[in-house]
Amino acid sequence: NAGVTQTPKFHILKTGQSMTLQCAQDMNHGYMSWYRQDPGMGLRLIYYSAAAGTTDKEVPNGYNVSRLNTEDFPLRLVSAAPSQTSVYLCASTPGTSNEQYFGPGTRLTVT
Amino acid sequence: GIQVEQSPPDLILQEGANSTLRCNFSDSVNNLQWFHQNPWGQLINLFYIPSGTKQNGRLSATTVATERYSLLYISSSQTTDSGVYFCAVEGSNYQLIWGAGTKLIIKP
Repeated sequence: NAGVTQTPKFHILKTGQSMTLQCAQDMNHGYMSWYRQDPGMGLRLIYYSAAAGTTDKEVPNGYNVSRLNTEDFPLRLVSAAPSQTSVYLCASTPGTSNEQYFGPGTRLTVT
Repeated sequence: GIQVEQSPPDLILQEGANSTLRCNFSDSVNNLQWFHQNPWGQLINLFYIPSGTKQNGRLSATTVATERYSLLYISSSQTTDSGVYFCAVEGSNYQLIWGAGTKLIIKP
């Protein structure tokens, strides 16, 4: 199994541009989450999905998410702002527990 | 909401030393996990430990849920143990609440 994969690893965006961060898992986990991590801080939850086709939390401003199937959980930055500069981490969780498995992250800079 | 505090915030040790990292939480939790984030940013799940003690090689963890703390022990530290160690607890809504982490540097 590849586990949780994320692309791209690094990206630089200009203010106002949009892009999609990709996340995929091949472990058939129902639950997937997006976090952001800022320097010297722990992780902050952006959004989660309990299963394909479900939306379980109000999406924060500036982001858009979709969960069309079990494997993929893309995060879209609609109109990037410098405050969205961060490392974005995707995680998946089996339905039997809340044990989280993380992808390698995407380091995003918005100039 | 639940508060999670980790101590110490930073720790510098020589290779071969032992260390104890602490995680305190302010309310009852469904579960607790320890993670290691390596210098390249990858987060690895170390222990999923609601209570009791678990061991995995040189690492072990103990959670005393009734007293609202967990300890992570690292014995015979190696340079590859360097990184940030996070504690995360699961609250009543099943969301994870993260501590700020302990940054560990192991010097050769």
